[in-house]
Amino acid sequence: EVQLLESGGGLVQPGGSLRLSCAASGFTVSTYAMSWVRQAPGKGLEWVSVISDGDGDIFYSDSVKGRFTISRDNSKNTLYVQMNSLRAEDTAVYYCAKGTSGSRYSGLNHWGQGTLVTVSS
Amino acid sequence: DIVMTQSPDSLAVSLGERATINCKSSQSVLYSSNNKSYLGWYQQKPGQPPKLLIYWASTRESGVPDRFSGSGSGADFTLTISGLQAEDVAVYYCQQYYSAPFSFGQGTKLEIK
Repeated sequence: EVQLLESGGGLVQPGGSLRLSCAASGFTVSTYAMSWVRQAPGKGLEWVSVISDGDGDIFYSDSVKGRFTISRDNSKNTLYVQMNSLRAEDTAVYYCAKGTSGSRYSGLNHWGQGTLVTVSS
Repeated sequence: DIVMTQSPDSLAVSLGERATINCKSSQSVLYSSNNKSYLGWYQQKPGQPPKLLIYWASTRESGVPDRFSGSGSGADFTLTISGLQAEDVAVYYCQQYYSAPFSFGQGTKLEIK
């Protein structure tokens, strides 16, 4: 059974950093595209980043480019996102999601329960 | 960047009736070499993560009831729920995965009339 478990969320001050983790089980993260999607409180879904399989082509939304870094540790079967220079508008529930294939051009067929990041002083 | 626009923002449908949600992309998400539209539909219930219903615009994800169907190609798409059931109350999103950033629509809230 595919499972995704996010962790690492919490309260951080503006300008601070946080690293989110997404521990996967039931499949190998290196063989699927993996994404981060966020949802601000009471708002819609916002795509954040994707890493494809293998060598891992990486893409970011304009709103996080240069501040967020997606990565994975194949030995731990875990996806990460390092978030720097955090802003109030980054406050959201962050979901990791598995693609239907290794290509970044795929739907997201498994999602974690999400972890809440709050950026506030 | 591709902008996804859903309509309506909300709708109320009677149990057993049909619900129709539209999604329009600011440019075509049809890849001509394989004739596939890079479009997915998701359902999100309160307090839950999204769930993939449809991908490639019309392919139903495994385990999704056949009352959910997707149609359309290019830049205009529709999600149809035939025979609405109480458990279908949710917010529905479309997403294009044709070109990064892989944008979502703003969501359509479906309620029971």
